[in-house]
Amino acid sequence: DTAVSQTPKYLVTQMGNDKSIKCEQNLGHDTMYWYKQDSKKFLKIMFSYNNKELIINETVPNRFSPKSPDKAHLNLHINSLELGDSAVYFCASSQDIGLAVEQFFGPGTRLTVL
Amino acid sequence: DQQVKQNSPSLSVQEGRISILNCDYTNSMFDYFLWYKKYPAEGPTFLISISSIKDKNEDGRFTVFLNKSAKHLSLHIVPSQPGDSAVYFCAARAGGSYIPTFGRGTSLIVHP
Repeated sequence: DTAVSQTPKYLVTQMGNDKSIKCEQNLGHDTMYWYKQDSKKFLKIMFSYNNKELIINETVPNRFSPKSPDKAHLNLHINSLELGDSAVYFCASSQDIGLAVEQFFGPGTRLTVL
Repeated sequence: DQQVKQNSPSLSVQEGRISILNCDYTNSMFDYFLWYKKYPAEGPTFLISISSIKDKNEDGRFTVFLNKSAKHLSLHIVPSQPGDSAVYFCAARAGGSYIPTFGRGTSLIVHP
């Protein structure tokens, strides 16, 4: 019973394609996040949703669009993929925004753009 | 602008000895610090944290030390075990910001 799950685990695609990564948490948490781990290994926040509402939107190209159909899901859609989008994307959740520091991470999705 | 720095990309330690992982930060507004542990093909998992009002926090084999004047924290693992081999991320949160800033990680290898 995985707490935070992501699909797919690996994604290889061509430049210009549109792709989605799905995330689900079964912890009953109110807050979910998307992080990007780039080639330099830094984990950088992209988005955060609290109770299905967008609360944090860091400087991310508008080709990236998060969607939260309900509190347990936060999907990431990427349009017109570029080479620089290649990275590992982690979904995470926390009980609420005030306890954001204690986040539970999914296993990551390794995106490779050719 | 790296506000959280882990200058050692890797560390190798013998089983049973102490592992010391270091982390430096530049933002004096950081008031809460965390360590996450990450195994290959898994997401990071929370390990231990410390508030800026403390200088030490201990949890079993893991102890985090905070030196605010030096803007430095360290994670001590005693005794080290092969299962501790992982990447360790240092993270810090500034008051008023809910999202931690992560360092780039240190890969710890514990040899049997």
